[in-house]
Amino acid sequence: AQTVTQSQPEMSVQEAETVTLSCTYDTSENNYYLFWYKQPPSRQMILVIRQEAYKQQNATENRFSVNFQKAAKSFSLKISDSQLGDTAMYFCAFMKGDMRFGAGTRLTVKP
Amino acid sequence: EADIYQTPRYLVIGTGKKITLECSQTMGHDKMYWYQQDPGMELHLIHYSYGVNSTEKGDLSSESTVSRIRTEHFPLTLESARPSHTSQYLCASSEWLYRVPGRVRLFFGEGSRLTVL
Repeated sequence: AQTVTQSQPEMSVQEAETVTLSCTYDTSENNYYLFWYKQPPSRQMILVIRQEAYKQQNATENRFSVNFQKAAKSFSLKISDSQLGDTAMYFCAFMKGDMRFGAGTRLTVKP
Repeated sequence: EADIYQTPRYLVIGTGKKITLECSQTMGHDKMYWYQQDPGMELHLIHYSYGVNSTEKGDLSSESTVSRIRTEHFPLTLESARPSHTSQYLCASSEWLYRVPGRVRLFFGEGSRLTVL
């Protein structure tokens, strides 16, 4: 089974600053999808951004962008202009047949 | 946002009881998943399904069972609940990758928080 590793259990950033969350994964597959999901305290999982492995171009969604390095099996999330509402658990996920998640990174945005 | 529903939202039961957590989705998705998540911790895949009459085991499947008799319904059953089952259980669904290339994603329910005394 695929494994997803998030090596940063907790991170913090000042409001309006930029922060990067790291994610690596292990797979022998060539075509797959990668995701970042956000889980605010006591709330539902929310899709932040999605990347298809067959696309070389990095995905972007407003203030959120990824740095996808397929050969290195790395998939980091950059949040620009951090807002207080970005405070949440962030999960990196890998999808081929099923969907596997990393352990999560708790991000706190400080005013 | 998503049309996926879980019941009950909260449940407190005694050890040894049999419980079924319900999950229904109205999006016609073939793939459905159950995850176990302790508060603020990682998600562990319990079971998943590719469609009707399909069930697959995840990493934590040994103490629970699922069924997929209808596309929209994917219940999770614990035959004999134990305190170690105390956790949040998240149900999710998705389309097949080939049907929505570039748009595939998991839709999550609000979760069922289980406490076993």
